[in-house]
Amino acid sequence: QQQVKQSPQSLIVQKGGISIINCAYENTAFDYFPWYQQFPGKGPALLIAIRPDVSEKKEGRFTISFNKSAKQFSLHIMDSQPGDSATYFCAASFNQGGKLIFGQGTELSVKP
Amino acid sequence: EAEVAQSPRYKITEKSQAVAFWCDPISGHATLYWYRQILGQGPELLVQFQDESVVDDSQLPKDRFSAERLKGVDSTLKIQPAELGDSAMYLCASSSYPLGAYNEQFFGPGTRLTVL
Repeated sequence: QQQVKQSPQSLIVQKGGISIINCAYENTAFDYFPWYQQFPGKGPALLIAIRPDVSEKKEGRFTISFNKSAKQFSLHIMDSQPGDSATYFCAASFNQGGKLIFGQGTELSVKP
Repeated sequence: EAEVAQSPRYKITEKSQAVAFWCDPISGHATLYWYRQILGQGPELLVQFQDESVVDDSQLPKDRFSAERLKGVDSTLKIQPAELGDSAMYLCASSSYPLGAYNEQFFGPGTRLTVL
C-alpha cells in the first residue's frame, strides 16, 4: 500500500515534443507528491511538487496533473529539449517531514 | 546556492571491510535523511533524523549499518562489515521541516560504493 508505480520505464521523444510520465499510488494518506530529475552519477534534483488539494501545477515547461479520485498524477514536459534527457522519479510522502517513497524511474531521451 | 555536501564521492572496498560516509546538510535544516539507491531503482530511506534524534530507522539493517548525528548538524553513516549487496549509491538529503516549505527534500551528490 505504500508503493508508487511509475510508467513508462523508458521514453524517447523528439525535440520540441511533449514528454508524459505517469504515476499511481494506493495509499490515500499520501499528501505530498514531488517529481525529481536525476542525471547519471548525480543526486536527484527537486523539479516540481504538488499537494492533493490542487489539480494542476505549472512551472515553466513542467506541469503536474493530479487526479485524486483516480489516485494518479503525471508529469508533462512541454517543448522537450535534449538537455531534459535524464531519469525522472515521482515520489509521495504521507506525513509532514516523512520519508519519500519513490517510483521506479523513467529514463527519458530527447532526440535532436 | 546552499547545497548538501557528501564525501567521499566514490568508495571502493573489499567485503568485510568497514566504510563510512559523511553528510553536511543545508545550513539550518533540522531534518536529515540517508537513502540508498540501487542502480536502476528509486532511492529508499535508510534512516531519518530530526536534529540529533532518529525518527525512522525501520529499514536500516542494524546488524551492520549505523548512523549518527551527534550535534544535530552533520551526519555519518557506517557499514561494518560491508557485503557485496551493499554496492549502491548512498544519498543524503535534508529538509527544513518542521519549518519552511512542506516536505521539500534536497539531495546531495551521493557516494557511489562498490564492494568487491
